[in-house]
Amino acid sequence: QQQVKQSPQSLIVQKGGISIINCAYENTAFDYFPWYQQFPGKGPALLIAIRPDVSEKKEGRFTISFNKSAKQFSLHIMDSQPGDSATYFCAATSGSRLTFGEGTQLTVNP
Amino acid sequence: GAGVSQSPSNKVTEKGKDVELRCDPISGHTALYWYRQRLGQGLEFLIYFQGNSAPDKSGLPSDRFSAERTGESVSTLTIQRTQQEDSAVYLCASSILLSLSYEQYFGPGTRLTVT
Repeated sequence: QQQVKQSPQSLIVQKGGISIINCAYENTAFDYFPWYQQFPGKGPALLIAIRPDVSEKKEGRFTISFNKSAKQFSLHIMDSQPGDSATYFCAATSGSRLTFGEGTQLTVNP
Repeated sequence: GAGVSQSPSNKVTEKGKDVELRCDPISGHTALYWYRQRLGQGLEFLIYFQGNSAPDKSGLPSDRFSAERTGESVSTLTIQRTQQEDSAVYLCASSILLSLSYEQYFGPGTRLTVT
């Protein structure tokens, strides 16, 4: 069964700190790994995505690190801000469907 | 430009009643997806549509759930004989192509409460 496991379930970080969220997968047929950000009362929005032939992708303060051999990938948020407080979902796709992790509720304290 | 819209935003219904949820995807997006999100949980895939191809209904939890889409426009998700466990936020998303499913644009969702 296609599954993506995400941790931690919740995370509290001080302003300016680094937030790290981890995901692991089993299905080697996955070919794209996006991260989505969801604010309360809103639908998720694509934040950043990576292909498995790349080990790292950076966009502003957000970085995805990808370890193909370990079948793991992570999101790093540098210089975390209170406005980053949201729920983050990792996901994986094998072409037509997205499989989501369970989500991480991030709180950045001022 | 206009994003994905869903209606109603909130729906309260009595157990046993039927409900119909609507999704208007982004114009030109050929793929449309429905998800269910229970409180504090991840997104559970329900169904997707791609153009005129047969939909992938493999995520529908029971035969009380059905969905339709007219061409590449509006989609409706119908839940018959609602149960309390159907209470959740139902999210609709669209993408330009099914092959670009990693980049989905989500609507705000319909919060369904079954009493």
